[in-house]
Amino acid sequence: KQEVTQIPAALSVPEGENLVLNCSFTDSAIYNLQWFRQDPGKGLTSLLLIQSSQREQTSGRLNASLDKSSGRSTLYIAASQPGDSATYLCAVPGANNLFFGTGTRLTVIP
Amino acid sequence: ETGVTQSPTHLIKTRGQQVTLRCSSQSGHNTVSWYQQALGQGPQFIFQYYREEENGRGNFPPRFSGLQFPNYSSELNVNALELDDSALYLCASSLGGEELNTEAFFGQGTRLTVV
Repeated sequence: KQEVTQIPAALSVPEGENLVLNCSFTDSAIYNLQWFRQDPGKGLTSLLLIQSSQREQTSGRLNASLDKSSGRSTLYIAASQPGDSATYLCAVPGANNLFFGTGTRLTVIP
Repeated sequence: ETGVTQSPTHLIKTRGQQVTLRCSSQSGHNTVSWYQQALGQGPQFIFQYYREEENGRGNFPPRFSGLQFPNYSSELNVNALELDDSALYLCASSLGGEELNTEAFFGQGTRLTVV
């Protein structure tokens, strides 16, 4: 069974800092990997989808990388802002579902 | 804006009661998946519906059941509610079938509290 791990569980940084969130998965036979943002008590907002054939995907200040062979993905956030404070989740697809990590709770301090 | 809508947003039920949660999928999507998210945890897969048929199920008991309608909207029904059913229930919409690399879009969730 696929297992997804996210480290660290929580991260606190001053505004303006660049940061990296990590995601690892045990089964490298994946079609894609998706990063989500979740505000407290809210649903998931899709940030980036990386196909298995890609190594990187960028959207604004966000850059996600995927290394299937090592079972890892990173989400890089440049010039962090207080509005980036949220929980970030990564997910990989199974046969008909997504396997999620437990997320990294990010706090950006003004 | 994802276009996936869930109702209601919040709900309080008594142990033993039954509840129905609703989800409208994004236009053009034929697949709806339901997830349960306990506080501080990642979402856990309940089941998926593709073109009105159940297309996979997670490790949830039979008192969790669902439906998908011809317009691809969906319902999640939970019978004999237990205190541990208190969670955020998330609906995800995607384009299924032969499209394997598609993005999943989530609704805002329904917060269920069982007392």
